[in-house]
Amino acid sequence: KNEVEQSPQNLTAQEGEFITINCSYSVGISALHWLQQHPGGGIVSLFMLSSGKKKHGRLIATINIQEKHSSLHITASHPRDSAVYICAVRPVSFGGTSYGKLTFGQGTILTVHP
Amino acid sequence: EPEVTQTPSHQVTQMGQEVILRCVPISNHLYFYWYRQILGQKVEFLVSFYNNEISEKSEIFDDQFSVERPDGSNFTLKIRSTKLEDSAMYFCASSTQGAYNSPLHFGNGTRLTVT
Repeated sequence: KNEVEQSPQNLTAQEGEFITINCSYSVGISALHWLQQHPGGGIVSLFMLSSGKKKHGRLIATINIQEKHSSLHITASHPRDSAVYICAVRPVSFGGTSYGKLTFGQGTILTVHP
Repeated sequence: EPEVTQTPSHQVTQMGQEVILRCVPISNHLYFYWYRQILGQKVEFLVSFYNNEISEKSEIFDDQFSVERPDGSNFTLKIRSTKLEDSAMYFCASSTQGAYNSPLHFGNGTRLTVT
């Protein structure tokens, strides 16, 4: 059974701090998604990764396929980064093409104080 | 920037009633999805739709659920006879390619409350 575990579950930081959120999964995957869920509930896709590293503004996502682990980093954190960050994976066992059957982590609640 | 829109934002219904949740995906996207999130729990996959047919569905997506793309723009999720446990936030998403190869664009969700 595929499990996606995120750590920490809750994270509090001061504005300007460097943030790391971790995601571990138990099976082979074809893709990993990092999502941001706003306090109002809406979900925004941050990254989709299958290998290596991606950067967008102050956000960096890395993945180590061999270790079945991904990290999301936020540099120079800001109160507007406060949200729930969710890791979701597409297991290889689900099939090789298309589709959106993802397994989701429980989310990391990030609060950044001014 | 184009976005996925969902209506209504909040739907209250009585147990046993039928509900239809509506979504307008991004116009050039080809893959469409429904997810749900019960309050305080993980997001769960319900169904994928591509080329006018269901391509994947989860165990949750039983005979009470159906999806349609009745025209070129709308994508709907119907729950035929709602149960209390169907109360959740329902998210529609779309993508240019499958989720193994392209990011997903989510709507803001419809909060369904079954009383």
